[in-house]
Amino acid sequence: DAGVTQSPTHLIKTRGQQVTLRCSPISGHKSVSWYQQVLGQGPQFIFQYYEKEERGRGNFPDRFSARQFPNYSSELNVNALLLGDSALYLCASSLTGRNEKLFFGSGTQLSVL
Amino acid sequence: GESVGLHLPTLSVQEGDNSIINCAYSNSASDYFIWYKQESGKGPQFIIDIRSNMDKRQGQRVTVLLNKTVKHLSLQIAATQPGDSAVYFCAGPGSEKLVFGKGTKLTVNP
Repeated sequence: DAGVTQSPTHLIKTRGQQVTLRCSPISGHKSVSWYQQVLGQGPQFIFQYYEKEERGRGNFPDRFSARQFPNYSSELNVNALLLGDSALYLCASSLTGRNEKLFFGSGTQLSVL
Repeated sequence: GESVGLHLPTLSVQEGDNSIINCAYSNSASDYFIWYKQESGKGPQFIIDIRSNMDKRQGQRVTVLLNKTVKHLSLQIAATQPGDSAVYFCAGPGSEKLVFGKGTKLTVNP
């Protein structure tokens, strides 16, 4: 069975640009969460979606937005990129909307120059 | 707010020894915890979870112990192997999210 898949795996952008990251959850999972991980730190929560509705939002600026599609895949958008947005962006899926047993993808490594 | 933190940022063990990674949490109402393993260039991989109505849970070569009195949990890895080298995170429940500690980097020496 396929796990959580994310694309692209790596991305290089310049300051001020916009980026869209994509995630496909494990088949049958209805919840998708996005986390940001900077080097040497644990993942930090950005968004959770369950059944296409936003369930939670972390302490990130409005430049960050996301959505979930009818097939439960999800996109994370970041506008007006800053150097500090450089990080590994992780998508996780779970069967229910509870934050339990999250299964993570391999992430998208974003570098902002 | 909620917080989870690991006691040591690094741990070095000999191959074949048992490893113990410790984690503390602040919210006494926390009822669920997860341990993840993250290898270089990969996302966190689920290892084992435990609910607060349990003190101990065992998996394949791993055991998680939960001490609610002192708000502490540990991950024990038996007969540590080179493939166990990774960063280990404990995570606990926050409002609408999982809260991760900073991680312990486990190095297994041959």
